[in-house]
Amino acid sequence: NAGVMQNPRHLVRRRGQEARLRCSPMKGHSHVYWYRQLPEEGLKFMVYLQKENIIDESGMPKERFSAEFPKEGPSILRIQQVVRGDSAAYFCASSLPGTALNEQFFGPGTRLTVL
Amino acid sequence: EDQVTQSPEALRLQEGESSSLNCSYTVSGLRGLFWYRQDPGKGPEFLFTLYSAGEEKEKERLKATLTKKESFLHITAPKPEDSATYLCAVSGGNEKLTFGTGTRLTIIP
Repeated sequence: NAGVMQNPRHLVRRRGQEARLRCSPMKGHSHVYWYRQLPEEGLKFMVYLQKENIIDESGMPKERFSAEFPKEGPSILRIQQVVRGDSAAYFCASSLPGTALNEQFFGPGTRLTVL
Repeated sequence: EDQVTQSPEALRLQEGESSSLNCSYTVSGLRGLFWYRQDPGKGPEFLFTLYSAGEEKEKERLKATLTKKESFLHITAPKPEDSATYLCAVSGGNEKLTFGTGTRLTIIP
């Protein structure tokens, strides 16, 4: 049973370019979460999505960042016009619908480096 | 706002030397407290969920306990392969997890 998959694992962008990070949840999971981990800091919540809906985006920067989880295909975290401060590890997690447990299972992450 | 504080930041133990990691939390309406293990360059690996004060869960050499203000992760007779960063997180009135900064555990053979 495949776990949460993320790609690419490593992404290098120059300032001003766009970064697209992809996440495929575990089989049967329809809730997706994105977290960011800066060096020497804890994981910080960014956004929570269900299929075709953004449920909570309270952790998303107001500009340049967007996320989607279409009916078909992976969830995408998009960062436009990247800056050096966007360099971090971005983790996706997924959970089962209809559970009160909220147990989230994480992918291996995408490490974004902005030159 | 939910808050999680973990201590110590780093811990070095000899193989076989038992100890405990602490997670203090502030949350309005605890839905769950979670422990994860994270190895360098990898994503967090789920270990335990605790829901109410007094609850305990065990897995191999690890045992997690919960009170109304804190959780402990006890590690008994650790082995070098237990070396990792251990993360604590809480879920309050919504779906998002609030994480602490972790305890970096090193087990010396």
